Amino acid sequence: DVKVTQSSRYLVKRTGEKVFLECVQDMDHENMFWYRQDPGLGLRLIYFSYDVKMKEKGDIPEGYSVSREKKERFSLILESASTNQTSMYLCAEGQGAPYEQYFGPGTRLTVT
Amino acid sequence: AQKVTQAQTEISVVEKEDVTLDCVYETRDTTYYLFWYKQPPSGELVFLIRRNSFDEQNEISGRYSWNFQKSTSSFNFTITASQVVDSAVYFCALSEPSGSARQLTFGSGTQLTVLP
Repeated sequence: DVKVTQSSRYLVKRTGEKVFLECVQDMDHENMFWYRQDPGLGLRLIYFSYDVKMKEKGDIPEGYSVSREKKERFSLILESASTNQTSMYLCAEGQGAPYEQYFGPGTRLTVT
Repeated sequence: AQKVTQAQTEISVVEKEDVTLDCVYETRDTTYYLFWYKQPPSGELVFLIRRNSFDEQNEISGRYSWNFQKSTSSFNFTITASQVVDSAVYFCALSEPSGSARQLTFGSGTQLTVLP
């Protein structure tokens, strides 16, 4: 079975803090993704990576950066957290066509 | 640009009723893939099914069935004899091989509540 783990289920941070969300997959797959999920908006893609050290912007990259130093690990970084980044963050992984993705359990981040 | 619309924000049914979740998509490509995911209260999205644009055959898996109609750009999901455990948010998603093929475009989701 595909296994995607995220470092925290719940996280509370203060405005201005640097926040790291980590995601690990055990399938040796190429593609990894970070989404945020907000009520009524569905899932929106922040960044994705199709190889080590490679990254591409998704639909809402502003305020975020990512790091992929190893194939199995994809980190999302909030350089200076703001209250409008309070959300559910979902990591996913996948490989090749037809591109279905498998998701981790999510991290609910609250920025106060 | 691709787009996925799930017009039903919330649906509530009583256990054992049948329920259909609607999904309408927009794409310019002739080759594409459609997906359904389930998100139970625990939060993790669970992959349910994938269809490609060349296969319009409907699919049934237990109490779940999917109706793909290219003529109306719809990919609807029916749960027969619903159960309380079916309560979840259901997302429809679209992927196109052209452009940034690795991306999925998700609909806004339908919250299904099955009452005992």
